[in-house]
Amino acid sequence: SQTIHQWPATLVQPVGSPLSLECTVEGTSNPNLYWYRQAAGRGLQLLFYSVGIGQISSEVPQNLSASRPQDRQFILSSKKLLLSDSGFYLCAWSGPPLGTEAFFGQGTRLTVV
Amino acid sequence: AQSVTQLGSHVSVSEGALVLLRCNYSSSVPPYLFWYVQYPNQGLQLLLKYTSAATLVKGINGFEAEFKKSETSFHLTKPSAHMSDAAEYFCAVRSGGSNYKLTFGKGTLLTVNP
Repeated sequence: SQTIHQWPATLVQPVGSPLSLECTVEGTSNPNLYWYRQAAGRGLQLLFYSVGIGQISSEVPQNLSASRPQDRQFILSSKKLLLSDSGFYLCAWSGPPLGTEAFFGQGTRLTVV
Repeated sequence: AQSVTQLGSHVSVSEGALVLLRCNYSSSVPPYLFWYVQYPNQGLQLLLKYTSAATLVKGINGFEAEFKKSETSFHLTKPSAHMSDAAEYFCAVRSGGSNYKLTFGKGTLLTVNP
């Protein structure tokens, strides 16, 4: 069966520090991968999605970047964190068919101080 | 472009009462529609999905939703609320074609009162 791993679960980082959140998927190949950010009362904001290795689509211009160095690995990064980067970050994957649902990781609570 | 509007950021019902969470979508092509549930500090879990088969879709935990193209709606219902249904619910849309974006609404927090 397929599983998705996202870590760490919580993270407290100072302003100006770098960020690296990692997400890996097991049990499937060529998944579509997604990074979302969730802020209170604002729903899930799609940050990046990827349909293949090295293929990244950015949805919102911001202080973050994403990379997909391997088929089932998706990384969210920042060179210098801002206070506004605080939030709950969720990684998700879905199969190639458009009708398939997305499966979510457990999320990372990022607090920038 | 695709979008989702969830009417009501907070819905409160009594235990045993009907649950109705509203979702309207916008899509230029026939959509795929999803409802997810999220418990505090956890990821999202799929409740049900519409993929152009039956317009009335049954999901887990007694939830169901009806796709109404004329109203561009996909409202979520449950006949009798249980305390364990208290959570945040998200509606999502993915347009057809080659669009792999999955767009979510802002969510509806469901409170169930004893």
